Amino acid sequence: AQTVTQSQPEMSVQEAETVTLSCTYDTSESDYYLFWYKQPPSRQMILVIRQEAYKQQNATENRFSVNFQKAAKSFSLKISDSQLGDAAMYFCAYIAPFGNEKLTFGTGTRLTIIP
Amino acid sequence: GAGVSQSPSNKVTEKGKDVELRCDPISGHTALYWYRQSLGQGLEFLIYFQGNSAPDKSGLPSDRFSAERTGGSVSTLTIQRTQQEDSAVYLCASSRTGQLTDTQYFGPGTRLTVL
Repeated sequence: AQTVTQSQPEMSVQEAETVTLSCTYDTSESDYYLFWYKQPPSRQMILVIRQEAYKQQNATENRFSVNFQKAAKSFSLKISDSQLGDAAMYFCAYIAPFGNEKLTFGTGTRLTIIP
Repeated sequence: GAGVSQSPSNKVTEKGKDVELRCDPISGHTALYWYRQSLGQGLEFLIYFQGNSAPDKSGLPSDRFSAERTGGSVSTLTIQRTQQEDSAVYLCASSRTGQLTDTQYFGPGTRLTVL
């Protein structure tokens, strides 16, 4: 069974600094997708970034980038120039073919931004 | 609508009562998902709809849980004889076709509290 592990329940970073959130996963599939979702206090999950496993190039979306290490099954999220609005729970998620299109989530990392 | 909507936003009920949670997906999205988020946990998959049919009900935790989707649009998750362990945030998501390349868009969730 696929599992997603986020070993950092809480992280904090000074405003304007850079922070990296960790995620590892376990799968026997070779083709799959990985995601980072943000959940602010409003509870609505917002897609931050996605990575396709067959692509070697790391995905980037503005201040958000990932470090995808397929062999190590690692998928970390780097947030540059942290802003107060980045404060939220961040969830790493995985989806694979023949997994009935359901996302498998980690337990989340709560990110606090220190002004 | 512009996004996925869910109602009610919050629901408090007494143990043993039945509850119905509603999800309105993005217009035109054929795939619909229900997830459950318990305190301190990641999201747990419950059920997936493609149109009106539910090819994957594997995540429903017991026979007290059921879901239906009519007209390929609105979905209702019903929990019968609620128990305290059912307390959680129930999130609904929809995607355009259900393919892996499609992003799942989430609603704001329903927070269920069973007293």
